[in-house]
Amino acid sequence: GAGVSQSPRYKVAKRGQDVALRCDPISGHVSLFWYQQALGQGPEFLTYFQNEAQLDKSGLPSDRFFAERPEGSVSTLKIQRTQQEDSAVYLCASSGRGLVGTEAFFGQGTRLTVV
Amino acid sequence: AQSVSQHNHHVILSEAASLELGCNYSYGGTVNLFWYVQYPGQHLQLLLKYFSGDPLVKGIKGFEAEFIKSKFSFNLRKPSVQWSDTAEYFCAVSPYNNNDMRFGAGTRLTVKP
Repeated sequence: GAGVSQSPRYKVAKRGQDVALRCDPISGHVSLFWYQQALGQGPEFLTYFQNEAQLDKSGLPSDRFFAERPEGSVSTLKIQRTQQEDSAVYLCASSGRGLVGTEAFFGQGTRLTVV
Repeated sequence: AQSVSQHNHHVILSEAASLELGCNYSYGGTVNLFWYVQYPGQHLQLLLKYFSGDPLVKGIKGFEAEFIKSKFSFNLRKPSVQWSDTAEYFCAVSPYNNNDMRFGAGTRLTVKP
């Protein structure tokens, strides 16, 4: 597609519910990132894929968070047993038709509210 | 991993004032550097980037940034701000040989008309 697409745009979850957030990166982009952005804060790194390989997941805040990109294209961020502190905007970005650094292109984000 | 510090949390300026937002990074190797802007209600957009060459980089909307390697800095400047520049500005860094990008906490710029 023309840009990075994220769905849903908004998600309200009851505390304890599992959620799945989807990211469709720009076609052909090798790298895919997930960030968490709390209100008034910068994007906090969660995890990073090169193709289907998850190279860094050091930013995932707990083992309730899980991300996958099985075919090196679409990615899903799953949060199990959601807690109120999980409420944030989850940003997906993609970059790079190769491995050399290029800028990241961002989606609109998914705003998750846990009630 | 690399990290980024942005010194100013909130900057308030009047129109036509000059702007400089600080950014310092921590990483031992060669880096790519970026400034992103997030206008109210919109997604992050690239303002400018540095990969190599001239350390003074010009971006969109009259913004520029200077990479000073010895200071690990990449400060953003604009000679005369406009009300429409009101936004959140984020500095980011990635290692030269891959796309692993990390962001600073951001600086909120408010321009008063």
